[in-house]
Amino acid sequence: AQSVTQLGSHVSVSEGALVLLRCNYSSSVPPYLFWYVQYPNQGLQLLLKYTSAATLVKGINGFEAEFKKSETSFHLTKPSAHMSDAAEYFCAVSVSGRRALTFGSGTRLQVQP
Amino acid sequence: DTAVSQTPKYLVTQMGNDKSIKCEQNLGHDTMYWYKQDSKKFLKIMFSYNNKELIINETVPNRFSPKSPDKAHLNLHINSLELGDSAVYFCASSLTKGASYEQYFGPGTRLTVT
Repeated sequence: AQSVTQLGSHVSVSEGALVLLRCNYSSSVPPYLFWYVQYPNQGLQLLLKYTSAATLVKGINGFEAEFKKSETSFHLTKPSAHMSDAAEYFCAVSVSGRRALTFGSGTRLQVQP
Repeated sequence: DTAVSQTPKYLVTQMGNDKSIKCEQNLGHDTMYWYKQDSKKFLKIMFSYNNKELIINETVPNRFSPKSPDKAHLNLHINSLELGDSAVYFCASSLTKGASYEQYFGPGTRLTVT
C-alpha cells in the first residue's frame, strides 16, 4: 500500500520568501506523485505531477517539485511567495493499477505581508 | 464549460434522511471517483468507477451507494444519514489510458447533517 507524509501542518512565510512544503512517500512500486492546492471553499486544483519522466517538475503559478527516489521525497518549492499562494496544499500518490489517490494530511500555507 | 460539476454545492439535512449528490464530467474521461474530506481536511477515496464498472470500494458503510449511469456521470446516494456523514464530498475524474494519471476535481458538496 502507498502512503504520504506531509511534514508541517502549518507553514508561514513572508511575502517574497522561499516556499518549501515537504512531502515523503512510501510505495513498493514506482509511484506517480502529485501536488494539489485547495483554496477556501473550493475544489482541488492540480499544481504539478511526477509520472516517471523528468525528476524536476515545473507546475503552475511558479511552483516546482523534485522527485528524489533515494530520499522518497517530493518537496514543493516556490522561490518567492505571493499573498495569493495562501491555501491548503496536498501531496498525493497513486500507482499503476490503482488510480485512486492517497493523500497526505495537507499543509496550510500562510503568507505574511 | 465546467469540467467536473457537482450538485448541489451545499446540502443541509436531518439525521435519518436519504440524500443524493450528482456529478458530471465533460472531459471525456472513463474513470470517476468519490472522495470524502472530513473536518480536519483529510481526503480519502470512497469509490471509483471505470466505464460504469465499480473498481474501488473502500471500507464505506453500505448506506452509501454509488451509481454510474454512463461514463460521464457518477452519483452518490446516502441512506439514513448520520451526524458523522457531515463532510465535503468531492467527485473527480481521470483517463486510464496514457501517462497522465492526474485527476480533475469538482467543486465539492458540503453535506451537513443535523
